[in-house]
Amino acid sequence: QVQLVESGGGVVQPGRSLRLSCAASGFTFSSYAMYWVRQAPGKGLEWVAVISYDGSNKNYADSVKGRVTISRDSSKNTLYLQMNSLTAEDTAVYYCARDPNSGYSLGWFDPWGQGTLVTVSS
Amino acid sequence: SYELTQPLSVSVALGQTARITCGGNNIGSKNVHWYQQKSGQAPVLVIYRDSNRPSGIPERFSGSNSGNTATLTISRAQAGDEADYYCQVWDSSTGVFGTGTKVTVL
Repeated sequence: QVQLVESGGGVVQPGRSLRLSCAASGFTFSSYAMYWVRQAPGKGLEWVAVISYDGSNKNYADSVKGRVTISRDSSKNTLYLQMNSLTAEDTAVYYCARDPNSGYSLGWFDPWGQGTLVTVSS
Repeated sequence: SYELTQPLSVSVALGQTARITCGGNNIGSKNVHWYQQKSGQAPVLVIYRDSNRPSGIPERFSGSNSGNTATLTISRAQAGDEADYYCQVWDSSTGVFGTGTKVTVL
């Protein structure tokens, strides 16, 4: 079955960097666009970034643009989110999710991983 | 930027019908997707492209979208439907989520 497992979260000081990973299994990873979505404690969902199936197209939320880079390694079936210059406002559970259709469709998010918590604090 | 507005909370009696609205400028021209998030869990897709149910989602969940409002309807509400619900669209290749609605089953 399709499975997404995030890792890399933890406590990080303001201004530092962190790289999140999302290990994919149960489907042909190189055929699907992938997403990152985050949720601050007690708050709603916020879309963060999208990457096309082949990595050629990427887009970011304005709140992270210039500080965050989404990437993928199809040889490892893994999605990444490199986050730099972290602030307290980046504290959240970060979820990865798959697009439902092969190619680059900007569809819906299904399925989701279980999430990894990033806490930015001194 | 595009905004989606949902009621903060909706209460529904056991076995009755709950309707959750998602308001946005001309949202009827967009594809709307809905997610259910139970406490401490990752979100789950319950409706895609306005009114389509993924496999495994009960027929009690339905959706509609017209004009400036999309609606998720939960018929014959059960205790297990208590959760936060979010609508979602794409606007200029940017993902947008609604503000979220907490559904309480009385």
